[in-house]
Amino acid sequence: DAGVTQSPTHLIKTRGQQVTLRCSPKSGHDTVSWYQQALGQGPQFIFQYYEEEERQRGNFPDRFSGHQFPNYSSELNVNALLLGDSALYLCASSQRGSDTQYFGPGTRLTVL
Amino acid sequence: DQQVKQNSPSLSVQEGRISILNCDYTNSMFDYFLWYKKYPAEGPTFLISISSIKDKNEDGRFTVFLNKSAKHLSLHIVPSQPGDSAVYFCAASDGRVNNDMRFGAGTRLTVKP
Repeated sequence: DAGVTQSPTHLIKTRGQQVTLRCSPKSGHDTVSWYQQALGQGPQFIFQYYEEEERQRGNFPDRFSGHQFPNYSSELNVNALLLGDSALYLCASSQRGSDTQYFGPGTRLTVL
Repeated sequence: DQQVKQNSPSLSVQEGRISILNCDYTNSMFDYFLWYKKYPAEGPTFLISISSIKDKNEDGRFTVFLNKSAKHLSLHIVPSQPGDSAVYFCAASDGRVNNDMRFGAGTRLTVKP
């Protein structure tokens, strides 16, 4: 049973560019959450998708957007990249009604 | 706003001894708490959780204690093993069903053989 998978593993972009990160949830999971983890900090909640809609959102600007597909996979899009967007982006999946989220390995984004 | 705090960035323990990792929170609406373990180049792995209706939850070598009045929880690992060396994150949420979790900054545990 594959766990949560994310692609790509690493990504280098320049300021002002746009980026798309992808996540496939664990089998049987229908809810996907995205987190940003800056160096030396804990993950910070960006948003959560369920039934192809954004259900919850953390304190992130509109430059951060997402999408969930009918197969429950999800994308995180970041526009107009800033140096401060450099971080590890984690995707977590869960089953609606479950207490626990399972994380993927993350995508390391570097903005130059 | 740091609603979940792990004030010890690192902890070193001898193999076989007890490891105690601490976590404090400020939001009294938090009612579900989790501990995650993270190895380098991997995502956080769920370890153990506790609901606010309990004050203790045990799973093998891992026990989580919750003191609601002090807004404090701790993770005890007994006995500690070298494979337990990792970064441990405390997380809390104010609704059990998939609400956004707030994480602490993590504590790096090193278990020495």
